[in-house]
Amino acid sequence: KAGVTQTPRYLIKTRGQQVTLSCSPISGHRSVSWYQQTPGQGLQFLFEYFSETQRNKGNFPGRFSGRQFSNSRSEMNVSTLELGDSALYLCASTPRGASYTGELFFGEGSRLTVL
Amino acid sequence: GEDVEQSLFLSVREGDSSVINCTYTDSSSTYLYWYKQEPGAGLQLLTYIFSNMDMKQDQRLTVLLNKKDKHLSLRIADTQTGDSAIYFCAESKGGSQGNLIFGKGTKLSVKP
Repeated sequence: KAGVTQTPRYLIKTRGQQVTLSCSPISGHRSVSWYQQTPGQGLQFLFEYFSETQRNKGNFPGRFSGRQFSNSRSEMNVSTLELGDSALYLCASTPRGASYTGELFFGEGSRLTVL
Repeated sequence: GEDVEQSLFLSVREGDSSVINCTYTDSSSTYLYWYKQEPGAGLQLLTYIFSNMDMKQDQRLTVLLNKKDKHLSLRIADTQTGDSAIYFCAESKGGSQGNLIFGKGTKLSVKP
């Protein structure tokens, strides 16, 4: 079974630009979560999508948005980029369900550098 | 607060045991987790423990849970150089399955 796939793996943007990151979950997984990882703040939850609906949202400004498609693929968008948005953005998928133990299956991340 | 706390660094010699400690905050967390991150990679689940358990053993890994003190530990027996990585403790926030609260990670260095 293929793992969680994130594209692009690396990208460089300048302040004020916007960026879209993509995540393809493991086949059969319907829940996708996004996390931002920085050296200072560690891993911070951005949002979770399930069945094309945002189920949870972290404490990030409205510049951060996401969506999920009917095939469970997800995208996140960051508008008006700031230097502090430089981070590794990790996507994780889960199967959910009654027997679900909460394990998140992570992709390798998209490393965003804002200049 | 909502912080999951863990020490930032641990250095051990190959063959010794490593113990990584963590304190969490949400008493309603159903599961508590240990994830591992190797350089340039995403996180990988090492093990988890259900909140009604005190201990879980999985090969070289032993997880101890003290619910009263909200303290979680991960012991790695016979630590190898390949165990060098960052280890994250995590709890589920309010039982939400996709929203885990992570500690800042403990960087384990294993010296030969």
